[in-house]
Amino acid sequence: ETGVTQTPRHLVMGMTNKKSLKCEQHLGHNAMYWYKQSAKKPLELMFVYSLEERVENNSVPSRFSPECPNSSHLFLHLHTLQPEDSALYLCASSQDRGDRGTDTQYFGPGTRLTVL
Amino acid sequence: QKEVEQDPGPLSVPEGAIVSLNCTYSNSAFQYFMWYRQYSRKGPELLMYTYSSGNKEDGRFTAQVDKSSKYISLFIRDSQPSDSATYLCAMRALSWGKLQFGAGTQVVVTP
Repeated sequence: ETGVTQTPRHLVMGMTNKKSLKCEQHLGHNAMYWYKQSAKKPLELMFVYSLEERVENNSVPSRFSPECPNSSHLFLHLHTLQPEDSALYLCASSQDRGDRGTDTQYFGPGTRLTVL
Repeated sequence: QKEVEQDPGPLSVPEGAIVSLNCTYSNSAFQYFMWYRQYSRKGPELLMYTYSSGNKEDGRFTAQVDKSSKYISLFIRDSQPSDSATYLCAMRALSWGKLQFGAGTQVVVTP
């Protein structure tokens, strides 16, 4: 595997279900991100982890719960979602160099989520 | 007012034509500018990265930044059907921190 991988690629869930999205980066990066992409809207940054610590949480509802067990893996746990949460969820990674800046973000293919 | 404005398209051009894409922004602090290409059912991939004002060329792609007008452009010369994708602009103020994305412009290059 190379780059950033995401599973599953497609997910359909009911509002009462609990599911998890998984992201794995094979680039040796130390920062990982979750984005939400809805049709005709800009990418919305949800969470950022740098060196396995959450450094940003953009007012995301608590029904989305991230987990970063190590610098290569990132999860997004989902529970009691709403139909408006249907979107493409993208994971990205980059190398955070502290005061010297953050390198380019590399994206995974995304998980297409449909909430019924 | 949105922080980054980008026409959603679709922009349809014949093969071989020049594709012209642009974004406007409101935050004068933005200094780092990027263009991403996103094919259907794929994640965005970085095409061009520029710092501050000026031009940058890479093969058939040219990125321009005009900070005085808060306007950035991407030109694709000799367009090919394989260039059909959604193009996203992105920018940030510092060398680190949150990227602000445009909504993306869908480009269709017809044979």
